[in-house]
Parts: sequence; C-alpha cells; structure tokens
Amino acid sequence: EAGVTQFPSHSVIEKGQTVTLRCDPISGHDNLYWYRRVMGKEIKFLLHFVKESKQDESGMPNNRFLAERTGGTYSTLKVQPAELEDSGVYFCASSPTVNYGYTFGSGTRLTVV
Amino acid sequence: GENVEQHPSTLSVQEGDSAVIKCTYSDSASNYFPWYKQELGKGPQLIIDIRSNVGEKKDQRIAVTLNKTAKHFSLHITETQPEDSAVYFCAASMAMVAALIFGKGTTLSVSS
Repeated sequence: EAGVTQFPSHSVIEKGQTVTLRCDPISGHDNLYWYRRVMGKEIKFLLHFVKESKQDESGMPNNRFLAERTGGTYSTLKVQPAELEDSGVYFCASSPTVNYGYTFGSGTRLTVV
Repeated sequence: GENVEQHPSTLSVQEGDSAVIKCTYSDSASNYFPWYKQELGKGPQLIIDIRSNVGEKKDQRIAVTLNKTAKHFSLHITETQPEDSAVYFCAASMAMVAALIFGKGTTLSVSS
C-alpha cells in the first residue's frame, strides 16, 4: 500500500510569505496528525484530525497556523504569515485507530529566511 | 503535562556491540511507549512498541523494557550493524489521547 505522502519535500520562503503544506494519508486511515521538529529539539504534536473533524489542536503554536482536512482525505497546513521561528521539519502521520499504528510521512523541511 | 527525557543524545558503537537508549517519562497515566527510527531524508518509522501491561518485548535484535514504578523504558539493540545507524526517538502517550510526546532523539552511529 502507498504510504503517507507529503509535499513539497522542501520549501524556502521569505518571512511574511504564506506557505501551504499538503499531506495525503494512507487510504482508509481516519486519523491524521501533524507534528513539527524544530532543529535539535523533540518532535512536537500540532494537531489531530478524525476524518474531517479537528479532535485536538492543542499543539498549534498560534493563529498563524491553519490546518484543514476537507472531505476527510488529504490535509493541508497553512502558515500565514511565516516567521523565522516556523522553520523546521513538518511531519504528517496517519493511523487506522487513535494513537496506534502510526505511519509517518517523510516530512516537509520548511526554511523561513 | 507529560515530559519525556531521552539519553544519551549521541551513541557510537562498534559493529557487533550492543546499544542501549534510555527514556524516562513523568506522567504515570501514560500507557503506550513506541520507539521510532529515523533515517536521513525519511520520516520516523515505528520499530517496536510496548504497552504498560507488559514489562518486556522482543523482536529479533531489538528489545524494549518498561519499568512502570520507576517510569522509565529502554531500547536494546544487540549485534549492531552499520545499517542500524540512525536517529532513534522514544515516545509516550495515554490511552485515547492522540498526541505522542517524544524525546529529543539519540543519534546512533555504528562503525564497522
């Protein structure tokens, strides 16, 4: 089966610009998660979707971040406007049941200059 | 909230040696402890996990042990090979809570 797909794999943008990251989960996985790793630090939870509903967005850093999952399939994470501290690797994961059997994507490396 | 500490941050071993990575957690309600391996350019990949009703689990050269009383769990890799070189992350979570809380990672280097 196809894994979790994320694109772009890399993105370099200027401070103040907008970037949209996309994640295609494994087909049939209702649970979709976004995580972020800032250089040298731990991987941190951002939010969790069950189908199209946001179940937990406690990890979203601020209102410059907007995640959507229209139709319960792919998800997007928009950062607007981007700041320097938003640089890092953004991972998406999906699972068939809550918090078990996670499969991670390869991540999107975001660099804000 | 939950906090996971992971040690060491880097580990270098000779091929064939054993490697041990240790993690401690703070919330006694945590009951699921996965370990992930991340190779360059790839996402974290689950290699083994353990639930709080089990003290030890083994899968070929990899084993995980859990001490609930002390709130720590460890990853043991025996007969290490160069392809084991990667960043390893431990994590913890509670039942029906989506968020995995990760440690900061251990960079394992296996030299031949």
